[in-house]
Amino acid sequence: KQEVTQIPAALSVPEGENLVLNCSFTDSAIYNLQWFRQDPGKGLTSLLLIQSSQREQTSGRLNASLDKSSGRSTLYIAASQPGDSATYLCAVRAGGTSYGKLTFGQGTILTVHP
Amino acid sequence: DAGVIQSPRHEVTEMGQEVTLRCKPISGHNSLFWYRQTMMRGLELLIYFNNNVPIDDSGMPEDRFSAKMPNASFSTLKIQPSEPRDSAVYFCASSLRGYNSPLHFGNGTRLTVT
Repeated sequence: KQEVTQIPAALSVPEGENLVLNCSFTDSAIYNLQWFRQDPGKGLTSLLLIQSSQREQTSGRLNASLDKSSGRSTLYIAASQPGDSATYLCAVRAGGTSYGKLTFGQGTILTVHP
Repeated sequence: DAGVIQSPRHEVTEMGQEVTLRCKPISGHNSLFWYRQTMMRGLELLIYFNNNVPIDDSGMPEDRFSAKMPNASFSTLKIQPSEPRDSAVYFCASSLRGYNSPLHFGNGTRLTVT
């Protein structure tokens, strides 16, 4: 059974800092890994999707890396802003006979204070 | 593109009542997922449809839960009879054909069963 773990559970940083969120998964047989952002009371917004054959993806101040063999991904946020405050979730999409099932981590609650 | 549309946004009902949650996926998407989110258990996959056919319903908690997708543009999740432990936020998500497409989430339905 795929298990996804995110560390840290919560992070508070001052505005302007660069930060790294971590995600690990137990079964490396994945199609892809997706990072989401969730604001309070809202749905999930897709930030980046990394295919299993890729090493990283970038979008603006966000950079996500994937090391499939070691079961790890990181989300790097450069020059953090108060508007980045949200819960960040990673999810892996299963391969094999799991028909593309997406398994989520518990999330990292990020607070960026001015 | 209106995104994934869920209704209602909030539902408050009494224990024992039937609850129906609705989802309209993004036009052209052929995969649809129902997730449940609680503080204790995070995001859990309930059921997954591909081309309107249920592929994996192993996450459906018990027989009180049922889901249908009568056509490519509509899905329902029904709970009958509802219980207080069903209180959660229920999300619908859709994606394009294939396992390498990102998931797009609706804003969820917050269900409270008293």
